[in-house]
Amino acid sequence: GAVVSQHPSRVICKSGTSVKIECRSLDFQATTMFWYRQFPKQSLMLMATSNEGSKATYEQGVEKDKFLINHASLTLSTLTVTSAHPEDSSFYICSASRAGVMNTEAFFGQGTRLTVV
Amino acid sequence: AQSVTQLDSQVPVFEEAPVELRCNYSSSVSVYLFWYVQYPNQGLQLLLKYLSGSTLVESINGFEAEFNKSQTSFHLRKPSVHISDTAEYFCAVILNAGGTSYGKLTFGQGTILTVHP
Repeated sequence: GAVVSQHPSRVICKSGTSVKIECRSLDFQATTMFWYRQFPKQSLMLMATSNEGSKATYEQGVEKDKFLINHASLTLSTLTVTSAHPEDSSFYICSASRAGVMNTEAFFGQGTRLTVV
Repeated sequence: AQSVTQLDSQVPVFEEAPVELRCNYSSSVSVYLFWYVQYPNQGLQLLLKYLSGSTLVESINGFEAEFNKSQTSFHLRKPSVHISDTAEYFCAVILNAGGTSYGKLTFGQGTILTVHP
């Protein structure tokens, strides 16, 4: 099956600093990647849709200047949490869909546990 | 807009007992349906999916789910659970349409399945 690698798996940062999370599709090309956020004991909430070579599409209520998304190639998307605050602490998960295949399932990364202190 | 409801937030069962995790969805267009499993501090793994054809779909580890269009349900079942099935299970849908819905999942709230010895 398709493999999506997310790095780092855990990160602790100081309040006010920025953190970059990488999402890579290892054995397939992904024109579209998705970033989700999961609060404790809650479901996954879609934050944004990342399209290769174009601007990301953010869901309502998600600050695009705070959560910067870059999708520079068909195998890599990055999420940068800028000026992180403790309330940004959460589990962030990316997913990727194969290029050229319509409406198939998305393959998920392992997730990143972000703790802002 | 589509939505997914998982009726049970937690389901405790004993080992070797049968289990059913309920999922209902709401959508004005047809959808594809998925069940994902998440182990602690990990990403999501696809358990099974319904795209078309037979309404009963099975996974390799004994789970099955049946798509019921009239009841807009996609309940997950297993006739005999193991301790290793303890995890959180998410039901999800993708709109059966092209464009920006490609790979964009809407998740239910999740059901924590706990299997006791």
